Amino acid sequence: DAGVIQSPRHEVTEMGQEVTLRCKPISGHDYLFWYRQTMMRGLELLIYFNNNVPIDDSGMPEDRFSAKMPNASFSTLKIQPSEPRDSAVYFCASSLGRGEQFFGPGTRLTVL
Amino acid sequence: GENVEQHPSTLSVQEGDSAVIKCTYSDSASNYFPWYKQELGKGPQLIIDIRSNVGEKKDQRIAVTLNKTAKHFSLHITETQPEDSAVYFCAAILNTGNQFYFGTGTSLTVIP
Repeated sequence: DAGVIQSPRHEVTEMGQEVTLRCKPISGHDYLFWYRQTMMRGLELLIYFNNNVPIDDSGMPEDRFSAKMPNASFSTLKIQPSEPRDSAVYFCASSLGRGEQFFGPGTRLTVL
Repeated sequence: GENVEQHPSTLSVQEGDSAVIKCTYSDSASNYFPWYKQELGKGPQLIIDIRSNVGEKKDQRIAVTLNKTAKHFSLHITETQPEDSAVYFCAAILNTGNQFYFGTGTSLTVIP
């Protein structure tokens, strides 16, 4: 298996622009997680899905952030409008049940 | 929710020495404790995990111990090698959900 796939790997955008991050989980996994990593706050869980249904979005910072999972093989995290403080590495992870989470390589987002 | 604290934040050891990283958790309902290793530019990867019905687990040079009474668990790396240099994260999962509560990470440097 190719593992969790994320795109793009790097994104540089200007403040106010819309940003869409994409994730393809490992085939057969029923949980998908979106994390944000910064030096100041470490790894933060933003939202997670079970069987394509959002279960807990309490970590989503504010209404500018939204996430969707239209099917078992694809998820997006959207930031609109983006702000400089959104600059971070965003990770997607997937798991089969309550087990090991497999992380993707991450998307490094820079908002100027 | 759960609160996981991790110490130290940075650790330098000479090659061949042992390294110990400690974590504490707050919720006695946590029953799964994974450890992740994150190399530069990559996503975290599981290196070892332990469940609450076990006190210790070993995998070659890596071991994890769990003290449920004191609510702490530790990662032990023996005979450290330069390739062990990375950031290590502990995590705890409540028996009622699938959310990982991560520690703040330990940056380990193994000096050749």
